[in-house]
Order: sequence, then structure tokens, then C-alpha cells
Amino acid sequence: QSVLTQPPSVSGAPGQRVTISCTGSSSNIGGTYGVHWYQHLPGTAPKVVMYANSNRPSGVPDRFSGSKSGTSASLAITGLRAEDEADYYCQSYDSSLSGYVFGTGTKVTVL
Amino acid sequence: QVQLQESGPGLVKPSQTLSLTCTVSGGSISSGSYYWNWIRQPAGRGLEWIGRIYTTGATNYNPSLKSRVTISIDTSKNQFSLRLNSMTAADTAVYYCARDSPSTNGRFDDWGQGTLVTVSS
Repeated sequence: QSVLTQPPSVSGAPGQRVTISCTGSSSNIGGTYGVHWYQHLPGTAPKVVMYANSNRPSGVPDRFSGSKSGTSASLAITGLRAEDEADYYCQSYDSSLSGYVFGTGTKVTVL
Repeated sequence: QVQLQESGPGLVKPSQTLSLTCTVSGGSISSGSYYWNWIRQPAGRGLEWIGRIYTTGATNYNPSLKSRVTISIDTSKNQFSLRLNSMTAADTAVYYCARDSPSTNGRFDDWGQGTLVTVSS
């Protein structure tokens, strides 16, 4: 019942660029709250790779970048590496639900 | 660096109530302005926010679970807890506790490792 829609999977060869989209509405991404992105590896806790739309936490490679426009956001990974293979989730706040919402999740595969 | 650790039963029977606890170490649960959250991931599915409690005790819940959820905080034990009643197979998931703050606009910076809860008779 996620209100943020992501493609189920994206893939690319090492060194290539992949982009993950996150589509919402005016009550979440289109509102005043920012979008955060998490990298989730099996058996581990999710890790923030982008916050407030386009800010990269310290320690996250600059191969990761984020943007937001209207009711959509995106996460780009350039120079794709094997270690980037994981599930990625966008997340925001939804004013109509008065709570946080996650995207449906995207599996990134490095070919 | 604050650390969070979930604990509770790994197996719950249908219709029973799940009780999970998140123990916070490396800092006081009542210091600063933080939200303490529960999030889950059903097998093969995405992350779902369950609800949160503020250091004042104020709570917010996911509308889809609100009728079955209670989150509480025990500052003397540096813990917060989740109760989810009328459990069904659909509630089988990895349950995480996580922290965010008003200043980070809902960014979950700190997470527990997660605990698998299976609903089965």
C-alpha cells in the first residue's frame, strides 16, 4: 500500500549510470517535506545515501546524487560498482496520512 | 553514537498480540528532541512505517495499522515498545526500530538490526 512508486528493478554494467525514480503526490513529495533515499542490503539495517532531496551524507560516494521536481524525485548512481547492488527506497512525509511513507523499492543489479 | 536493539518473540500465534521492545544505548532516550519509530518489512515486500513516539509521549500511527497499534516509552529503562494486536500471517515481517528528529525532516539516521517475527500456529 505504498504511496510512493518506484520501478521494481534497474540494472547496469559496471561503470554505467542508473537512475531510480520515485513518484508521489502533492501531499508528500510535492509538499514541503524532503525526500530521503536508503540503501538496503539483506540482513542489515537500511542506510541513508541521500537526504533532503539532494544532500549526500558523509561517507557516501559522490557517485550518488539526488534531485526532486514537483511530485517526483530521483536517485542517480554513476560509475556503477558491484558494491552498489542492493535495494533502494525513497521516503518522505505525507501530510494527508500524517505519517511517513516509503517507496515500493527498487532492486539495483550490477550486470 | 546511539545504538538501537530490538527484542521480542520470533514466533506469534494468529490472533495474539505482538510485543517488541527497542533498547537504546549510547544516549538517553529522553534527551534531545527525537522521534522513536517502528518500521517493518514483510518478506518480499518493501518497508512500511508503523508509527512513532516523541520524547514527550505523543504518538502518531500509520492509518492502516492505527486500530491495532500501541507504541509506548519507558524512560527509566531507556526503551520504547510496540504492541500490535490481532496478528495475522500478513504481519509476518522483519521489525525495525529507528530514530529521527524534527530537525532532519523524517530522516531515519539510526536503526536497529531488525528482528524477524513470524505469525504461525
